[in-house]
Amino acid sequence: DTEVTQTPKHLVMGMTNKKSLKCEQHMGHRAMYWYKQKAKKPPELMFVYSYEKLSINESVPSRFSPECPNSSLLNLHLHALQPEDSALYLCASSQDRFVTSSPLHFGNGTRLTVT
Amino acid sequence: SQQGEEDPQALSIQEGENATMNCSYKTSINNLQWYRQNSGRGLVHLILIRSNEREKHSGRLRVTLDTSKKSSSLLITASRAADTASYFCATAREYGNKLVFGAGTILRVKS
Repeated sequence: DTEVTQTPKHLVMGMTNKKSLKCEQHMGHRAMYWYKQKAKKPPELMFVYSYEKLSINESVPSRFSPECPNSSLLNLHLHALQPEDSALYLCASSQDRFVTSSPLHFGNGTRLTVT
Repeated sequence: SQQGEEDPQALSIQEGENATMNCSYKTSINNLQWYRQNSGRGLVHLILIRSNEREKHSGRLRVTLDTSKKSSSLLITASRAADTASYFCATAREYGNKLVFGAGTILRVKS
């Protein structure tokens, strides 16, 4: 079992809905990440939080809004999504604030379907 | 944008055989990491090799890194059916906090 917990495991939402994805880790890691993965493709970086501050936004559309309430929690708020946003959303954490020093620990993801 | 390219895209072998996957990248790196992903699951970190290292071992895994050719390989020896998964290389540049994944190799080990 992974030490990064993501909820829900599956989510179906309409294009006018507002929903949130949640991610939690209790390893004391100082950086947390959101990745998006389409079928048969590699994960693509969306956001990086370092010491609870947003450090990287990979030009993600504003319909995706990240939030880091504390060092253990990471949320991704979703609003007015498009069908092409359907994907596996992966949360990850790393012990060090820099990936040059420590590997990522991934959750099992939320499978999102936008109808 | 993807930093690494992997080949082969797919590999099918018999249990007990060795599997070799290759990764090439374009820019200078601080380290290169390999991850495994079982179908529909998250990624699991396998090995991290730094730019000043040439080879690293972990159990049945052997990773090599050639920074002059900007390439790496992952060797899985004595493969098992449980090794069936997608394998991704990922690179971390000298500066910044991004880990960028290659396209991945789908490995199928037949029992």
